[in-house]
Amino acid sequence: NSKVIQTPRYLVKGQGQKAKMRCIPEKGHPVVFWYQQNKNNEFKFLINFQNQEVLQQIDMTEKRFSAECPSNSPCSLEIQSSEAGDSALYLCASSLSGGAETLYFGSGTRLTVL
Amino acid sequence: AQKVTQTQTSISVVEKTTVTMDCVYETRDSSYFLFWYKQTASGEIVFLIRQDSYKKENATVGHYSLNFQKPKSSIGLIITATQIEDSAVYFCAMREYSNTNKVVFGTGTRLQVLP
Repeated sequence: NSKVIQTPRYLVKGQGQKAKMRCIPEKGHPVVFWYQQNKNNEFKFLINFQNQEVLQQIDMTEKRFSAECPSNSPCSLEIQSSEAGDSALYLCASSLSGGAETLYFGSGTRLTVL
Repeated sequence: AQKVTQTQTSISVVEKTTVTMDCVYETRDSSYFLFWYKQTASGEIVFLIRQDSYKKENATVGHYSLNFQKPKSSIGLIITATQIEDSAVYFCAMREYSNTNKVVFGTGTRLQVLP
């Protein structure tokens, strides 16, 4: 069973609507990743955090996506204005810091933009 | 640039046999970490096994083992005595020592284990 908790499991939005999803990383894991997995199984990196600080993010994330990992609250990823192309499985993963550390994934939020 | 390639999109095997899934990677780092994950039909992603680039010995965990061929930048996953419940999509991933903020995934190999 995933120790990384993602909610909601499914999310349906109309184009232009906001879409927000949450992630509680595994206890003690300071690093959180967000990926978008499309129907071709491709993992697209969106953003990652160490504690509350952004480590890296892609351009798309900077413009239409917002994300945060506040202390003592779930991490969140929000799409400000959903587009049809945003329909995908959004995966949150956490890990200890360090290259040898594996990622532990949540069950994902499947977003459908109508 | 970091890249991970899985060329096999789908494999079918009969249960109790052995299967090998291929993965090749590109990196400029001399030190890196290679991972295999399994994604079930429900979407759950589970870590299976890891190979550290500096280790010559192939990693083994349960009925999973790796065929690490560093000169070929290749890290194959071997599943012995396959079971029906091994049916899933298998992903290879890499994390570089110099840039642990980035984890790059292949596009996966779908394994179907038939009775």
